[in-house]
Amino acid sequence: QKEVEQDPGPLSVPEGAIVSLNCTYSNSAFQYFMWYRQYSRKGPELLMYTYSSGNKEDGRFTAQVDKSSKYISLFIRDSQPSDSATYLCAMVSGAQKLVFGQGTRLTINP
Amino acid sequence: EAQVTQNPRYLITVTGKKLTVTCSQNMNHEYMSWYRQDPGLGLRQIYYSMNVEVTDKGDVPEGYKVSRKEKRNFPLILESPSPNQTSLYFCASSPRTSGQQETQYFGPGTRLLVL
Repeated sequence: QKEVEQDPGPLSVPEGAIVSLNCTYSNSAFQYFMWYRQYSRKGPELLMYTYSSGNKEDGRFTAQVDKSSKYISLFIRDSQPSDSATYLCAMVSGAQKLVFGQGTRLTINP
Repeated sequence: EAQVTQNPRYLITVTGKKLTVTCSQNMNHEYMSWYRQDPGLGLRQIYYSMNVEVTDKGDVPEGYKVSRKEKRNFPLILESPSPNQTSLYFCASSPRTSGQQETQYFGPGTRLLVL
């Protein structure tokens, strides 16, 4: 079983829709949770990170962590075609090991 | 401009021919790391370095070597490449060495094909 599970998609939604991306994990030692965005032919770039359970907002993006369920989510409101990318969740344990999900490919259709 | 650079961006080689992929960062970061990205497997860490002369294995170190003689450079060496090392490789750096590796900055990637 992988430490981090993420549905690879692809996921295709119309412009303006609310997008929900999710990851589950099995290692309770994970303390920090991140979302990276990767455009085609580019390296991943950090979108959001959070430490505790609960929600964190940044503009149209909301990261949600539920440590009791070992489940994290990224919500994108008012989605735009420029949001089309692969979204990777990532987690860090106290041992400083960074583990990525396999990424969800998202397309926002105009 | 703060960035992580990798060279080459694309490389086609043959089995057994030694190659080096260079990585350099201009942000004075202590932590650097190499990943490979494969379809269905996501990003997997190959090696990482907490500082100069300090390196350690990641999840998939077999067939790779690294060195960290200077803070800014972290080359990835494939002594005898094999076709299963065909992949997309990313170098990353981070200003933190303890705990929070969330602020990793990634290079543009090197696409390697081993025939």
